[in-house]
Amino acid sequence: SQQGEEDPQALSIQEGENATMNCSYKTSINNLQWYRQNSGRGLVHLILIRSNEREKHSGRLRVTLDTSKKSSSLLITASRAADTASYFCATQTSGSRLTFGEGTQLTVNP
Amino acid sequence: EAQVTQNPRYLITVTGKKLTVTCSQNMNHEYMSWYRQDPGLGLRQIYYSMNVEVTDKGDVPEGYKVSRKEKRNFPLILESPSPNQTSLYFCASSPDRGRDQYFGPGTRLLVL
Repeated sequence: SQQGEEDPQALSIQEGENATMNCSYKTSINNLQWYRQNSGRGLVHLILIRSNEREKHSGRLRVTLDTSKKSSSLLITASRAADTASYFCATQTSGSRLTFGEGTQLTVNP
Repeated sequence: EAQVTQNPRYLITVTGKKLTVTCSQNMNHEYMSWYRQDPGLGLRQIYYSMNVEVTDKGDVPEGYKVSRKEKRNFPLILESPSPNQTSLYFCASSPDRGRDQYFGPGTRLLVL
């Protein structure tokens, strides 16, 4: 079963709006990572948040982590058409395995 | 340029014909990993390696083998490919296990 599950599966917004994607997981983690994938291409790392952190920012990206609810959110502010991609959360436990969710397909309409 | 390379990028083969997908990274990373990506299933880890001669199974290792004889290379071997191994494969590397991963461009495999 998937450790990380993203919600929603698909999201369509207008340029300039904010996009929020959520990720839930089942077991305790060491860190949670968000990746972006343009169609059929390799994943690109966006942000890593450790289990003792609650919020991180990187440019227009804001990630929160609530370990009590076993959930994380990725917020993209002032979205652009170039943000159109699939976004994946991945959780890493005390071992070395990294488990990905199925992703959220974000479409930003010009 | 720091990168992860995979070869081939596209491959069509027939059931039972052994194949190897190579993966190489030039960042002196210790941790390397293989994933497959299938519609509706996301990315699933096949095998990973924490260092030379250290490999371990991921979530879906059946039908695959790996080796880590050198730090920079982590080939994925399909001894007897089957149609259910048709997928998009990604190699990734990381400085160590608790860090972000750098992904290769992917290898699209079709097994007939």
